Amino acid sequence: LAKTTQPISMDSYEGQEVNITCSHNNIATNDYITWYQQFPSQGPRFIIQGYKTKVTNEVASLFIPADRKSSTLSLPRVSLSDTAVYYCLVGGTGAGSYQLTFGKGTKLSVIP
Amino acid sequence: DARVTQTPRHKVTEMGQEVTMRCQPILGHNTVFWYRQTMMQGLELLAYFRNRAPLDDSGMPKDRFSAEMPDATLATLKIQPSEPRDSAVYFCASGTPTGGGPYEQYFGPGTRLTVT
Repeated sequence: LAKTTQPISMDSYEGQEVNITCSHNNIATNDYITWYQQFPSQGPRFIIQGYKTKVTNEVASLFIPADRKSSTLSLPRVSLSDTAVYYCLVGGTGAGSYQLTFGKGTKLSVIP
Repeated sequence: DARVTQTPRHKVTEMGQEVTMRCQPILGHNTVFWYRQTMMQGLELLAYFRNRAPLDDSGMPKDRFSAEMPDATLATLKIQPSEPRDSAVYFCASGTPTGGGPYEQYFGPGTRLTVT
């Protein structure tokens, strides 16, 4: 299983862009990169997923360099409601087996 | 808006008692996951099923935990006997594989278990 490393915590002011970087040096060829968001007392919620280059949706952007050994989740103009834990996962269904492991995540605190 | 439901939302029980947690996955999702979350260990995968068949339960203490899917609309996680160290939030999630990529998982609200 590919191991991921991300900062334990980050602070940001409202209205700023936040970039959370995840390292995954031993990512496999078939692995995807997926990010989830978790609010207190709730289950994680899927944010975005990508394989290479850049993916954008209505919530965030995901930047993946050519070597795929890291990825960056970008949240534009954060608000207080974006305060949550963000998890980076690497893996896929491969040969039919589930290969995603949640790490400890990054606790983002948005300050007014 | 389709959602994963879990019951009960909260459970307090004494050590040694049996605990059963239930999950109703989103209709049409063929894969169901059980996770446990604690402050110390974070989010741990306990087991998962595809098309109601158990595929991996290596994260689950076999001597006291069991997981089943009696039908496509119900997944259960049972602990017998329960111990204080089982106190945690237990999440159920469902999803469907998309090609070669990983699942987009939809999580339920969780069952907060306290074993005294």
